[in-house]
Amino acid sequence: DGGITQSPKYLFRKEGQNVTLSCEQNLNHDAMYWYRQDPGQGLRLIYYSQIVNDFQKGDIAEGYSVSREKKESFPLTVTSAQKNPTAFYLCASSTPVRTSGRGRNIQYFGAGTRLSVL
Amino acid sequence: DQQVKQNSPSLRVQEGRISILNCDYTNSMFDYFLWYKKYPAEGPTFLISISSIKDKNEDGRFTVFLNKSAKHLSLHIVPSQPGDSAVYFCAASVTNAGGTSYGKLTFGQGTILTVHP
Repeated sequence: DGGITQSPKYLFRKEGQNVTLSCEQNLNHDAMYWYRQDPGQGLRLIYYSQIVNDFQKGDIAEGYSVSREKKESFPLTVTSAQKNPTAFYLCASSTPVRTSGRGRNIQYFGAGTRLSVL
Repeated sequence: DQQVKQNSPSLRVQEGRISILNCDYTNSMFDYFLWYKKYPAEGPTFLISISSIKDKNEDGRFTVFLNKSAKHLSLHIVPSQPGDSAVYFCAASVTNAGGTSYGKLTFGQGTILTVHP
C-alpha cells in the first residue's frame, strides 16, 4: 500500500537528549513536511523540503533539524535546544502539480508520533 | 500572526442535520483552500478543496463555499453522521508565480465537531 509511515508511534525524551523521528513515504512525492500539533493551536510548520538535498525552515524551526538525503525519507531530530518538545508530530508529503491540474496542493499525512519528556 | 482562523473551537450538531464549519483568512494572496478531518492520535486526512476561481465545490455530503470578498470559507456537511465527529482543519496556500505550488499550507486552529443522536 502507498502511504506515509512515521515511527515510532510514541517516543520519550530524557533531559538533554536528542531524539530522531522517522518519516518514510512511497508515494513518489517530491515535497515533504514536518508539523507540530499542540492543543488548541492547530498544525505549525517546522521544516519542509521540496527536493532531495534541500530543505527550508518553517515557522517554528528553532530546536529542530532535518535531512533529506533520499526522496523517500525526511527524518526530524528534536535537539536538546528545544525546551518544550512535548507535542504530536506529523509528517506529510505532496507532489507539485500545475495550477490547472487537479489535486494540487494536497498534502498526505502520516499517523503521527507523540513525543513526551521524561 | 494567525493568517487562517477558525473562531469556533467546537460545534455540536444533531445527527441528520447540517453541520457548518467556518474559516476566515487574512492573506489575500491565498488562492487554494482545503479542509482536513482528523481523528485523535491520527494524521489529518484530506476532505475537500476549492480554488479561488470558484465559489463552491461539492463532493457527496460535503460542500465548501468560498467568499473571497469576505475572506471567508465554510464547510457544509449534510446530513451529518456520528462518524463525522472529528476535528476539522481548514488550510490555505499561495500558488507561486510559476503556477506550480509545492503545497506549503497554513492551517487554522481546528474545530471539534460532535454529531450526536
